[in-house]
Amino acid sequence: GQQLNQSPQSMFIQEGEDVSMNCTSSSIFNTWLWYKQDPGEGPVLLIALYKAGELTSNGRLTAQFGITRKDSFLNISASIPSDVGIYFCAGVYNFNKFYFGSGTKLNVKP
Amino acid sequence: NAGVTQTPKFQVLKTGQSMTLQCAQDMNHEYMSWYRQDPGMGLRLIHYSVGAGITDQGEVPNGYNVSRSTTEDFPLRLLSAAPSQTSVYFCASSKPGTGGRDEQFFGPGTRLTVL
Repeated sequence: GQQLNQSPQSMFIQEGEDVSMNCTSSSIFNTWLWYKQDPGEGPVLLIALYKAGELTSNGRLTAQFGITRKDSFLNISASIPSDVGIYFCAGVYNFNKFYFGSGTKLNVKP
Repeated sequence: NAGVTQTPKFQVLKTGQSMTLQCAQDMNHEYMSWYRQDPGMGLRLIHYSVGAGITDQGEVPNGYNVSRSTTEDFPLRLLSAAPSQTSVYFCASSKPGTGGRDEQFFGPGTRLTVL
């Protein structure tokens, strides 16, 4: 089946630092989604990307749909303690084929 | 809108017991799915449904049954629970987007332990 490679697996950063994570695939996707999961909760949608090359922001978060349609990037600027959690990427092929990365666990030291 | 709701939030079963995890959505979404999340393994698709009366298997369907009699509800049944089914279960729903806008929304999860 489809495989998404998400990296890094985990990050330990200082409050105020910028963060970057990415997902790559050998397959083309029509949509890229980025989710955040807090401990004990379900994933919450942060950003959705629909066109190759698209760059979309949501507050301090910025995500890009790779031009090849095989990758996507998420950046978090000026991290704060509440950014702690697990970030998942998801690629969508057709309307009902969602493929998830294994997650990036973000730790922010105050 | 309540979004996607799941019950129960926590459940402990003994090996061999059966139970049903409930999932409901009030967004009139056609597509619903069940995932399990295990440490270090991300989300794995168990079963999904593209509409009432239509279901299909995902990546890890063995030991689980689903049915979709209404648009709103998509229960997941464990037929004979095994310790390997200890996991966190998430239900999700989405609506095939116009203009390619496909977004999937998750419930809060059910934490299942099988002893």
